[in-house]
Amino acid sequence: QSVLTQPPSVSEAPRQRVTISCSGSNSNIGSNSVNWYQQVPGKAPKLLIYYDDLLSSGVSDRFSGSKSGTSASLAISGLQSEDEGDYYCAAWDDSLNGVVFGVGTKLTVL
Amino acid sequence: EVQLVESGGGLVQPGMSLRLSCAASGFVFDDYGMHWVRQSPGKGLEWIAGLNWKSSIVGYADSVKGRFIISRDNAKKSLFLQMNSLRAEDAALYYCAKDLTAGISPVSDHWGQGTQVTVSS
Repeated sequence: QSVLTQPPSVSEAPRQRVTISCSGSNSNIGSNSVNWYQQVPGKAPKLLIYYDDLLSSGVSDRFSGSKSGTSASLAISGLQSEDEGDYYCAAWDDSLNGVVFGVGTKLTVL
Repeated sequence: EVQLVESGGGLVQPGMSLRLSCAASGFVFDDYGMHWVRQSPGKGLEWIAGLNWKSSIVGYADSVKGRFIISRDNAKKSLFLQMNSLRAEDAALYYCAKDLTAGISPVSDHWGQGTQVTVSS
């Protein structure tokens, strides 16, 4: 069981905006930055957002990240069918002394 | 272009060992930390091990600590994962990933395509 909690699934219509939450604790999100990955079916994960809100090279500015306290969010605006896939948050955990991933959220574009 | 190519996966019996390799190209390998991340069928991502650029800082997930050993050969631009005492729950797709930094961080900006490990008698 992951120490970072994400909703199992979210769905929204094309061209709309969706947010994916990631909840942790003081030992991870509360004291370290959050990063977000996208994984489309059959492919390797891809870095989207790092250090809470920095856009990875080549990633569309429709993606944005934010953090407050022990929670973080990934927002995707102007949804497109190609955005469908699984989204994972990740952070360093000071208690575990390692990297922790969220359980992942499956995004469906209706 | 950064490329990470994993190899060494396969079918192994419980209790046996396997060694994974990751060949890196397209970047200065010894400037960056490296990781192994696995994904069981239909499941999420699990970080299992990482090491910094000169192997002086090494970290493991509790699930593999004492059984798996991560190492690197900077001269050969290669990352390795020695997996001992394999269990059924170790069956997964194993990804090699490049850290954004020289250390161990949760930011991996490039990933390989993975190598499949199956543990079954």
